[in-house]
Amino acid sequence: AQTVTQSQPEMSVQEAETVTLSCTYDTSESNYYLFWYKQPPSRQMILVIRQEAYKQQNATENRFSVNFQKAAKSFSLKISDSQLGDTAMYFCAFMKQRGAQKLVFGQGTRLTINP
Amino acid sequence: DTGVSQDPRHKITKRGQNVTFRCDPISEHNRLYWYRQTLGQGPEFLTYFQNEAQLEKSRLLSDRFSAERPKESFSSLEIQRTEQGDSAMYLCASTPRDSQEQYFGPGTRLTVT
Repeated sequence: AQTVTQSQPEMSVQEAETVTLSCTYDTSESNYYLFWYKQPPSRQMILVIRQEAYKQQNATENRFSVNFQKAAKSFSLKISDSQLGDTAMYFCAFMKQRGAQKLVFGQGTRLTINP
Repeated sequence: DTGVSQDPRHKITKRGQNVTFRCDPISEHNRLYWYRQTLGQGPEFLTYFQNEAQLEKSRLLSDRFSAERPKESFSSLEIQRTEQGDSAMYLCASTPRDSQEQYFGPGTRLTVT
């Protein structure tokens, strides 16, 4: 079975700073996808960024980028120039390439951006 | 707004009652997922539909839980004889063909008293 671990329950930074959220996972699969989802307070979950395991290049979406280390089974999210609207719970998630393609989530990191 | 919708958004029920939740996926999304999220935790997979067929169920889904998706449209999740441990947010997500991105609804928050 796959597991996803987020070791930082809470983080807090000042607006405009850069912050990195950590995620490690365990799997015996060779082909899979990794995701970071954002869940703002009382709002629905939205996709931030995704990474295909077969791609060596780290994914980037505007201010969001990942550091994917396949051998270490590590998948961290970096948020540059953080904004107040980035305040949310962030979940790292794993998906096998085959089968139901269900998401396996970590416990989440509560990120607060302070003005 | 053409996103995933869920109804009701909140449900308070007494222990032992039956409840039913509805999820309307994005049009033409052929895959639909149900997850359960307890306070302070990440969502956990409950069940999955491809078109009308329920293809996988989690061990979390006891025999008190049932889900269906008639005619590749909306899905319903029913919990019979609710228990306090069923209190959680129930999330629905849908995915289009040939995609891995799951689009989540706002969830139904269930409180069992």
